Amino acid sequence: DIQMTQSPSSLSASVGDRVTITCRASQTIITYLNWYQQIPGKAPNLLIYATSNLQSGVPSRFSGSGSGTDFTLTISSLQPEDFATYFCQQTYSSSWTFGQGTKVEIK
Amino acid sequence: EVQLVESGGGLVQPGGSLRLSCAASGFTFSSYSMHWVRQAPGKGLEYVSAIGADGGSTYYANSLKARFTISRDNSKNTLYLQMGGLRAEDMAVYYCARSEGGGTYYRYWGQGTLVTVSS
Repeated sequence: DIQMTQSPSSLSASVGDRVTITCRASQTIITYLNWYQQIPGKAPNLLIYATSNLQSGVPSRFSGSGSGTDFTLTISSLQPEDFATYFCQQTYSSSWTFGQGTKVEIK
Repeated sequence: EVQLVESGGGLVQPGGSLRLSCAASGFTFSSYSMHWVRQAPGKGLEYVSAIGADGGSTYYANSLKARFTISRDNSKNTLYLQMGGLRAEDMAVYYCARSEGGGTYYRYWGQGTLVTVSS
């Protein structure tokens, strides 16, 4: 299976901060990389698909970039509703895999 | 409105079996691949299994070692996951999700059903 490694595992930030989360694949996944946000007790919510495509309805402060093995999710100005856990996901191989998650907490 | 509603979770003893269901509505169920994803308490997301739109192709996470079987009934708009030989590490919330974009991401998820494995 393709292993997905996110960093950091957690971070503390303030409202208005710029936040960057990285995701590294154990082999190339071209641009088959998605990002999800999960609030405790809820199902994950799609933010970005195919590396950089913003899902409809998702605020433009979220953006994604990368290719090959290294990818980034950026929140340009953190808002109170953004405190959550973020997961990357590769869908290049037939067995899709997720990163371990990055918990974004209030500083 | 797309809706996915899981059911069938509950308490099961180690070594036991359970069948999960996912009732779909608001879209043409037979046109979409469907997946199961699980999340152990306090842990991350784990891909479990997938099935093609017509049920002709199935995929499983390597770690499951053939203990689980995915199926679907397009006449009933329902997805299933038959789980056997359950272990403590199978305890999780199980989500069903619809595959989108030519099968490259999940736009719609169910609310999840909790499977507890304990004696």
